[in-house]
Amino acid sequence: AQSVTQLDSQVPVFEEAPVELRCNYSSSVSVYLFWYVQYPNQGLQLLLKYLSGSTLVKGINGFEAEFNKSQTSFHLRKPSVHISDTAEYFCAGKWGGGSQGNLIFGKGTKLSVKP
Amino acid sequence: EPEVTQTPSHQVTQMGQEVILRCVPISNHLYFYWYRQILGQKVEFLVSFYNNEISEKSEIFDDQFSVERPDGSNFTLKIRSTKLEDSAMYFCASSGPSGGFRGDTQYFGPGTRLTVL
Repeated sequence: AQSVTQLDSQVPVFEEAPVELRCNYSSSVSVYLFWYVQYPNQGLQLLLKYLSGSTLVKGINGFEAEFNKSQTSFHLRKPSVHISDTAEYFCAGKWGGGSQGNLIFGKGTKLSVKP
Repeated sequence: EPEVTQTPSHQVTQMGQEVILRCVPISNHLYFYWYRQILGQKVEFLVSFYNNEISEKSEIFDDQFSVERPDGSNFTLKIRSTKLEDSAMYFCASSGPSGGFRGDTQYFGPGTRLTVL
């Protein structure tokens, strides 16, 4: 079965420091990959997605991610974080044919940005 | 910006009772989904719905669950006889204003926290 793994459940970081949130997925065949963010008491908001083409994907709020087929990774990065980036981040994948398909999520990583 | 809304934000019920969770998807979307997240676990897919019928469902979505689009705006998840293990955050999502493309973004609501006592 397909799966998404987020190795870090919590990542503390100081403001203005760089951050990388790790995500690995099970198979590169016909995969679409997504990063969502969830702020307290809000829904999941799409940060960025990889469908095809350039392996470096830029998203909202200064985040980017790189699709690495050989390492089956899709790590999320930001060069300088702000207090407002404190949230939970979810990596998700979609596999297979069909017009839509369901998302398979990782367990999430809580990013805590400290002043 | 259009958004998915869900009501109630928190529902407390007794084991064995029926609950209905409500969602209003983005108005021009055609694909609707329910996911859930048990505390400390992954967000899990339950069901997808298109053209007034279920298009996919997971093993979790057994006979205790049903979905309905009773009118042009609401999308509901019913749990017929709740169990303790149904306690979770339930997220509704919608996508695809037309056609349907696997890369379409799914837009999520804020969730309903269901607590079964």
